[in-house]
Amino acid sequence: GDSVTQMEGPVTLSEEAFLTINCTYTATGYPSLFWYVQYPGEGLQLLLKATKADDKGSNKGFEATYRKETTSFHLEKGSVQVSDSAVYFCALRSTGANSKLTFGKGITLSVRP
Amino acid sequence: EPEVTQTPSHQVTQMGQEVILRCVPISNHLYFYWYRQILGQKVEFLVSFYNNEISEKSEIFDDQFSVERPDGSNFTLKIRSTKLEDSAMYFCASTMTANSNQPQHFGDGTRLSIL
Repeated sequence: GDSVTQMEGPVTLSEEAFLTINCTYTATGYPSLFWYVQYPGEGLQLLLKATKADDKGSNKGFEATYRKETTSFHLEKGSVQVSDSAVYFCALRSTGANSKLTFGKGITLSVRP
Repeated sequence: EPEVTQTPSHQVTQMGQEVILRCVPISNHLYFYWYRQILGQKVEFLVSFYNNEISEKSEIFDDQFSVERPDGSNFTLKIRSTKLEDSAMYFCASTMTANSNQPQHFGDGTRLSIL
């Protein structure tokens, strides 16, 4: 079945540091890939997506590239801010009608001033 | 921007009691989902719903769970006889189409605490 693996957390960085959060997946066919973010006390918000190989999703300074050859979708940001402190979830949605999202475990990012 | 709304934000219930969690999906969306997140664990799929029928359900979604769209706006999750292990954050999501490239839009969740 489908699965998503995220690197172990938590991650603590200083403001303006470079961020990489690793995500790899297993799926049949050609899934779409997503990063969701959960700020403290809030629900899941879509951060970015990519729907085919070599696509790059980007939003709010975050980027992730769909790498089919390595089955990866790593999240990067060149300079994190305190306001980026949140839990980040990698997810995939397989092809097929009404397909569900399969999530990774999530990773907590804390950015200190 | 339209959003998915969930009520209540926090529900505390005695073990064995029934609970109903409510969701109002985005108005022109047709596909609805429930997920749950036990504290410290990953977000898990429970059930998907389309055209007044369950499309898919996970092994977690056993006979004590049911879903319903009682009117044109609400989408509910009922847990008939709650257990301690049902304590979790429950998220409702909706999407306009079944295409896999469409993201699902989530509500803020209901925190369910079983005593």
